[in-house]
Amino acid sequence: GQQLNQSPQSMFIQEGEDVSMNCTSSSIFNTWLWYKQDPGEGPVLLIALYKAGELTSNGRLTAQFGITRKDSFLNISASIPSDVGIYFCAGLNYGGSQGNLIFGKGTKLSVKP
Amino acid sequence: DAGVTQSPTHLIKTRGQHVTLRCSPISGHKSVSWYQQVLGQGPQFIFQYYEKEERGRGNFPDRFSARQFPNYSSELNVNALLLGDSALYLCASSLRLAGNTGELFFGEGSRLTVL
Repeated sequence: GQQLNQSPQSMFIQEGEDVSMNCTSSSIFNTWLWYKQDPGEGPVLLIALYKAGELTSNGRLTAQFGITRKDSFLNISASIPSDVGIYFCAGLNYGGSQGNLIFGKGTKLSVKP
Repeated sequence: DAGVTQSPTHLIKTRGQHVTLRCSPISGHKSVSWYQQVLGQGPQFIFQYYEKEERGRGNFPDRFSARQFPNYSSELNVNALLLGDSALYLCASSLRLAGNTGELFFGEGSRLTVL
C-alpha cells in the first residue's frame, strides 16, 4: 500500500530556532496536508497544498508541495514552546474520497532540556 | 460552536468483546470519517460516510463496521476484539464530500484498550 516517509522521527528545539521536516512518497498525490497533534487531542490542520510547486504560509509555518508531487516539507521559523507536539504529513489520492488521507508516522517536536 | 465530539473518551474491553464508539460532527457537516491511530503511528483510514452512505473503506477486516444516522452522527462498531485493536479511534468531519480538499476536523478520539 501507499506509504509516506516522514523525517526526522523526532527532534529537539530550543526556543527561537528554525525547524524543518519533510515527507516523501513513492506515489503521486494531488494534495498534501500538514496536521499537528497535541497530547490527548486529535490532529489539527495547519496547512493544505493543492498544486505542485505551491508554497504556502500560515504565520510562522511555511510548507511546499514538491514539483514531482511525491514530497512536501514544512518549516517552522522562530520556534516557541507551544510548537511542541507531533506533526503529520498527509497525502490525498486523486479522485479519492475526502476521508481517504494517507498519513506519515509523524515528527515529534520536543523542547531541549 | 462545538467541535467534533466523541464518546466514550476511554474504555477497556477484553478479547472477544464488542465495542461501539460514537461521534457527533460539527454542526452542518455532512461527512464523517473514522481513523485508527496505534501508538507511535499516524492515523489510518477506516471508513468515510456521507449522507448516510458509505463512501470509502480502508483496509480493515469485516469485524469493523460503521453507520451514519439522519442527524449525521455516526457509530463505529468493532466485533470480536483482538489485542491489536487497542488504539485511539478518531472521528473527523467535513462539510461535504465533493471537492477532495482533505480538510478534516478531528475529535479528541476514543482510547480503546483491549486486554
